[in-house]
Amino acid sequence: GQQLNQSPQSMFIQEGEDVSMNCTSSSIFNTWLWYKQDPGEGPVLLIALYKAGELTSNGRLTAQFGITRKDSFLNISASIPSDVGIYFCAGQLRLGETGANNLFFGTGTRLTVIP
Amino acid sequence: NAGVTQTPKFQVLKTGQSMTLQCAQDMNHEYMSWYRQDPGMGLRLIHYSVGAGITDQGEVPNGYNVSRSTTEDFPLRLLSAAPSQTSVYFCASTRNNEQFFGPGTRLTVL
Repeated sequence: GQQLNQSPQSMFIQEGEDVSMNCTSSSIFNTWLWYKQDPGEGPVLLIALYKAGELTSNGRLTAQFGITRKDSFLNISASIPSDVGIYFCAGQLRLGETGANNLFFGTGTRLTVIP
Repeated sequence: NAGVTQTPKFQVLKTGQSMTLQCAQDMNHEYMSWYRQDPGMGLRLIHYSVGAGITDQGEVPNGYNVSRSTTEDFPLRLLSAAPSQTSVYFCASTRNNEQFFGPGTRLTVL
C-alpha cells in the first residue's frame, strides 16, 4: 500500500506558539489534504491542495503542496487550546478498476496545547 | 440533514461471529468508502464504491465484504470476525474531493 510518513508524531506547545508538521511519501499524489480529528469523532477536512507548489491558507492554517508532489506541510499560527487534536495528512490517488480517487492517510500528529 | 451516520457506535464480538456495520448518508453522494483506524497507523481504506451497484477493494479488503444497493447505504460485513479486526471503523462519503466522515464504530473482537 501507499506509505505516508508524517512527523512529528506528537507535539506539546504553549498557547500562542506556531506549529509546523509535514508529510512525505515515495508516491506522487494528485491532491494533498489535511484533516483534524477530535476524540471520538471522524476526521474533518481543514485544507485541500490541488497543484504542485500550491500554498493555501484557511484562517490560521497554511499548507503547501510540494513541488515534487511527494510531500506537504501544514503550519498553524498562534495556537489556541481548541487546536488540540490529531492532524492527518492524506494523499489522493486513482486506484482500482473503477479509477476512483482514493485517500491514503499519514500516521497522524497528536497536538497538545498548554494554556 | 444528518450527514453520514454509522451504527452501532460500539460492538464486542467473539472470534468467528459475523456482523454488519451500517453506514448511511443523506447528501446524495455517489462515492462512499470504509476505513479502519488503528493506533499509530492512520486510516486505511478497506473498500469503496463509486455508485450504486459498483464496489472495489482498497488497501486492506481481506475479511470484509461490501455491497451498494442504494446511493444512501453502504454496509460493511465481517463474515467471520478475528481479533485482528479489532479497530475503529469509519465510513465516509465524498463530493468534490471533500470527504465527510461518520462518527465511527469501535469494534472489539475477543
